[in-house]
Amino acid sequence: GENVEQHPSTLSVQEGDSAVIKCTYSDSASNYFPWYKQELGKRPQLIIDIRSNVGEKKDQRIAVTLNKTAKHFSLHITETQPEDSAVYFCAANTNAGKSTFGDGTTLTVKP
Amino acid sequence: GAVVSQHPSWVICKSGTSVKIECRSLDFQATTMFWYRQFPKQSLMLMATSNEGSKATYEQGVEKDKFLINHASLTLSTLTVTSAHPEDSSFYICSARPQVSYGYTFGSGTRLTVV
Repeated sequence: GENVEQHPSTLSVQEGDSAVIKCTYSDSASNYFPWYKQELGKRPQLIIDIRSNVGEKKDQRIAVTLNKTAKHFSLHITETQPEDSAVYFCAANTNAGKSTFGDGTTLTVKP
Repeated sequence: GAVVSQHPSWVICKSGTSVKIECRSLDFQATTMFWYRQFPKQSLMLMATSNEGSKATYEQGVEKDKFLINHASLTLSTLTVTSAHPEDSSFYICSARPQVSYGYTFGSGTRLTVV
């Protein structure tokens, strides 16, 4: 089955700096890669996603890049703000529908 | 946007009793819903795939007789934790997606505490 590895497990940045979280996956059939933000005690919220036929996608301060050959994808957050502090999960999906999640990254943005 | 409603948001039950958790897609039909469990400071682990009108598909290591899943309609899936024990205490969360191209929408989650 699919295996998703996510790094780092914790990340602390100063407000205004950039944050990068990386994930690798194993199943070449995976073709959809969403990123979720989960605040303490709340449900995961989809923040950005990318499909396998695209190399990069950007939405304001958030961007995701995908290297299908190397089977890795990354989340980039620029100009970080304290409200960006949360746990971020990457996931890899196949057409069958199952999501395999990474272990999560706890991002702390210091004011 | 797609909305998934989950109920209850929290429940405390005694060991040996059963608890039912509901997951509803409010503005779309979902032939498939997914049930996850999340322990504190850990990732979401897929427990089972709920299929409308047919049996659920369970992940390896998940006891199907303990975690009963029913997907009787295109908008409702239920997870029943039978004969609950303290080790079943966890955050249970469902998800569904309206179209193949959309990301998953998660329910609000259910915090189960078994005492």
